[in-house]
Amino acid sequence: GDSVTQMEGPVTLSEEAFLTINCTYTATGYPSLFWYVQYPGEGLQLLLKATKADDKGSNKGFEATYRKETTSFHLEKGSVQVSDSAVYFCARIQGAQKLVFGQGTRLTINP
Amino acid sequence: DAGVTQSPTHLIKTRGQQVTLRCSPKSGHDTVSWYQQALGQGPQFIFQYYEEEERQRGNFPDRFSGHQFPNYSSELNVNALLLGDSALYLCASSEDRGYTFGSGTRLTVV
Repeated sequence: GDSVTQMEGPVTLSEEAFLTINCTYTATGYPSLFWYVQYPGEGLQLLLKATKADDKGSNKGFEATYRKETTSFHLEKGSVQVSDSAVYFCARIQGAQKLVFGQGTRLTINP
Repeated sequence: DAGVTQSPTHLIKTRGQQVTLRCSPKSGHDTVSWYQQALGQGPQFIFQYYEEEERQRGNFPDRFSGHQFPNYSSELNVNALLLGDSALYLCASSEDRGYTFGSGTRLTVV
């Protein structure tokens, strides 16, 4: 069935480094795509989303562009902070009713 | 706005027991979905309720059941608990594809 694949973690970076977390999806049609973030001991928070090809979602310095030709939705940030340490999940809508998530990428930012 | 509220936050049960988890959706949201997140994994869809009926179901056994009340709140019931049911259970409410998640209930089965 349709799925979401994220780059395996964990990812460890220094503060102010550039971040990329890769995400690819398989799908029939054009699903809506999401990035969620999960801080320790908490639920999921929507970080950004894109609903059609070439859309760019952005929030808190994070960006991701919906690439139909490569079926990708990579998450990027130009300068990470210690407070960005969390687990990041890529997800897609399937059948307009349920979210399908990737396995998550744990990000640790060192000062 | 209280967002999505789940209770309890933590729970410890013994194998074979039954458990009920509760969710109050965000104000104005009429659809509730439940997800299971095992340690180190992404959330897996259990089922979704709309207008007090189960609208879609994921690949979970019949031991997992649910209910939605007229005020849109929801319960997740799990019977005959197994060790493998230990996970974070997340509730998400939605309206027109805008999903909001609660902080979850951490269930430990011993």
